Amino acid sequence: RKEVEQDPGPFNVPEGATVAFNCTYSNSASQSFFWYRQDCRKEPKLLMSVYSSGNEDGRFTAQLNRASQYISLLIRDSKLSDSATYLCVVISMDTGRRALTFGSGTRLQVQP
Amino acid sequence: GAVVSQHPSRVICKSGTSVKIECRSLDFQATTMFWYRQFPKQSLMLMATSNEGSKATYEQGVEKDKFLINHASLTLSTLTVTSAHPEDSSFYICSASRTGPSPLHFGNGTRLTVT
Repeated sequence: RKEVEQDPGPFNVPEGATVAFNCTYSNSASQSFFWYRQDCRKEPKLLMSVYSSGNEDGRFTAQLNRASQYISLLIRDSKLSDSATYLCVVISMDTGRRALTFGSGTRLQVQP
Repeated sequence: GAVVSQHPSRVICKSGTSVKIECRSLDFQATTMFWYRQFPKQSLMLMATSNEGSKATYEQGVEKDKFLINHASLTLSTLTVTSAHPEDSSFYICSASRTGPSPLHFGNGTRLTVT
């Protein structure tokens, strides 16, 4: 089993739709969680951190479920410009060293 | 503004030559930097973890003698693709972060084309 898993998609949704992605992680000692967005032929850019209590930034809501070991990203009122690949990144401390693992990404295509 | 700078953003070289890519953390010290490669329509693949003052840790299947990593200072890591071949053509990205539970910051990537 991969340390961090994401459904690769693609998720094809119409404009205005609500879409949610999950990202599961296997290391129960994982400490920090982030969602990144990567556009085609560009580097990933930080979208938002994921806090234990859940957090919202505009149309985007991130949640963490430690019991089931997954994080989620919800996008409301999808825009065409939301089309991208969304990567989750999990950071943990492994024998005193910081280890980061990211998922392979979920591709979102918002259609007019 | 950018906190991780990568240079060059694009390079075209002939087969057999070597190419050096630089990754700099601009306003923080990074004891660890990461190098990735991404082929078209594929996900990012971690190649190696660059550790300041010590040897890099390479992922399985990545040739350490072909992809030389040097992390000589707390703000600079370099990746040298030696004796490049057309199959090495790819998008190479570095990342770094501050200590603690800080997010990764990615460089803007280097698109390497080997002819």
